[in-house]
Amino acid sequence: EIVLTQSPATLSLSPGERATLSCRASQSVSSYLAWYQQKPGQAPRLLIYDASNRATGIPARFSGSGSGTDFTLTISSLEPEDFAVYYCQQRSNWPPSFTFGPGTKVDIK
Amino acid sequence: QVQLVQSGAEMKKPGSSVKVSCKASGGNINGYVISWVRQAPGQGLEWMGAFIPSLGVANYARDFQGRVTIAADRATVTAYMEIRGLRSEDTAVYYCVRVMGVDGSWFDPWGHGTLVTVSS
Repeated sequence: EIVLTQSPATLSLSPGERATLSCRASQSVSSYLAWYQQKPGQAPRLLIYDASNRATGIPARFSGSGSGTDFTLTISSLEPEDFAVYYCQQRSNWPPSFTFGPGTKVDIK
Repeated sequence: QVQLVQSGAEMKKPGSSVKVSCKASGGNINGYVISWVRQAPGQGLEWMGAFIPSLGVANYARDFQGRVTIAADRATVTAYMEIRGLRSEDTAVYYCVRVMGVDGSWFDPWGHGTLVTVSS
């Protein structure tokens, strides 16, 4: 089973600052890596799919990069609504199986 | 735009079973792989399994094999997830998700979630 590790566990930043979140896979997942945002009491929302593609309606300040085992989600300038928990997720094998990272909480400094 | 509408919250006793449904609104999920993800209180996301309509079978995460059944009904465009032998640690919000992408690699949309509480 592929294990995803996210760092840091918590990122304390101020609005307007740049956020850089990391996701590392225990073995290559090619570009099968997605990022989700979750706010308290809400279902997760897709932000980035296949490592670097923004989902429909996601602001341009969100960007994803990486391939293989190392991936990054960047929020170029934090807006108040961006303070949330972010999860990465990978797909492997056929039939498909999936795993999530433990999450990175972005909170207000 | 398709939305996934899940059945309501459930309160169950240990050892009992629960079945959660997920119906598409404003679109179709027939032919799509439907997965289930759970989230225990204050915890992260955990993938449970997926129903693969092209094969007519489900694939389960190791921790859920033998105790969980995931299926879909094409006629009613509804997906189901059943857990047997409920334990207190099964208390969680359960989400259905549509698997998207040519290679089926991401989840969108997500259902609103169904809270299942297991308590004596």
